[in-house]
Amino acid sequence: NAGVTQTPKFQVLKTGQSMTLQCAQDMNHNSMYWYRQDPGMGLRLIYYSASEGTTDKGEVPNGYNVSRLNKREFSLRLESAAPSQTSVYFCASSAGTGRKDTQYFGPGTRLTVL
Amino acid sequence: AQTVTQSQPEMSVQEAETVTLSCTYDTSESNYYLFWYKQPPSRQMILVIRQEAYKQQNATENRFSVNFQKAAKSFSLKISDSQLGDTAMYFCAFRFAGGTSYGKLTFGQGTILTVHP
Repeated sequence: NAGVTQTPKFQVLKTGQSMTLQCAQDMNHNSMYWYRQDPGMGLRLIYYSASEGTTDKGEVPNGYNVSRLNKREFSLRLESAAPSQTSVYFCASSAGTGRKDTQYFGPGTRLTVL
Repeated sequence: AQTVTQSQPEMSVQEAETVTLSCTYDTSESNYYLFWYKQPPSRQMILVIRQEAYKQQNATENRFSVNFQKAAKSFSLKISDSQLGDTAMYFCAFRFAGGTSYGKLTFGQGTILTVHP
């Protein structure tokens, strides 16, 4: 039972390089999310996808793009990485509806931008 | 916009004792959910407990319980009989129950809990 998987687990980039963080879930969830975690600030929502075919901005979307490739996969792209994007990135998914909707998180990706 | 505040950056407790982590939030909504998540050194985010705002009864999950004070906008987590495996960062989180929230969570800054043997 894999749940939510993320690749890669670690990545080091130089300023200006691009990369895509991959996320997949096998729980048949409708909604998926990308968060970043910075020291002293908790997790902040970057983008989310309420259902396949839709994406919307969260609290901190600048510098990022997303693609909901299908129901299982939701990728996050950094087109031109900046040191301010050094962070731990988490993907999450949820059924998306109902009172007992719970978000399940992936293991995270630690990204360092030099 | 709603905010979630955890005023205790770090806490420590002896094994088998009880500890309470504080959380306050600010919202104008009346229908929402509150959560406590645990993040151990492995970095994995694990749901500990959930409270629905329309329920007056405080949620309980084994050794974990909450004190939900809706009027005061307070949501504290009590861990009884603390175990070494409880050592982790704990996050309080808020989610609207309706509208176009689609499950978006707002997190507090986190509290690092260390359980000492």
